[in-house]
Amino acid sequence: GQQVMQIPQYQHVQEGEDFTTYCNSSTTLSNIQWYKQRPGGHPVFLIQLVKSGEVKKQKRLTFQFGEAKKNSSLHITATQTTDVGTYFCAGPNGGANNLFFGTGTRLTVIP
Amino acid sequence: KAGVTQTPRYLIKTRGQQVTLSCSPISGHRSVSWYQQTPGQGLQFLFEYFSETQRNKGNFPGRFSGRQFSNSRSEMNVSTLELGDSALYLCASSTNKGLYPSGANVLTFGAGSRLTVL
Repeated sequence: GQQVMQIPQYQHVQEGEDFTTYCNSSTTLSNIQWYKQRPGGHPVFLIQLVKSGEVKKQKRLTFQFGEAKKNSSLHITATQTTDVGTYFCAGPNGGANNLFFGTGTRLTVIP
Repeated sequence: KAGVTQTPRYLIKTRGQQVTLSCSPISGHRSVSWYQQTPGQGLQFLFEYFSETQRNKGNFPGRFSGRQFSNSRSEMNVSTLELGDSALYLCASSTNKGLYPSGANVLTFGAGSRLTVL
């Protein structure tokens, strides 16, 4: 079945350091989405990537979709304490109309 | 525009009991998905409804069921509760009209219902 792995599972960084999480799918994805879940909260949509090799930026966050559309990355520059949370990538579950979520990367930012 | 509303937010049940969780999607959203979130298994897809029809189902036993009403509100039911059913149950709505691969199935999640089974 479809698998979407994220690495690392956990990441602790000092405030101001950069952070990157990688998402790898066992199958080609038509699109990929990223969500953030704050501690005690629920996942919140961040961005969607559709095109091969696409790169999108949101302030300090840079999202990339691989050329083969099987992997993606999220890079945060100069982390802040507000970046704390778990970041999930998600892709369409084959031909079904639901999203398959990655395993998530939990980010801790040390002030 | 009101968000996705889930009730109850917290509940405690004992093994063998059943539970019903409710979800009111964003107005105009006709697709409702349910996910189970546990520390060990992450976000696991339960099922998705569109226009009162279950379109997709995840790999969960038959004790887990759901339905959607004509106003797009959805309920999920878990019968014969087990300790392992303790989790955060998340509902999400979207405007997805089933046009794969539309790239349009962005999910808006509710705050979740945290179920504890004792």
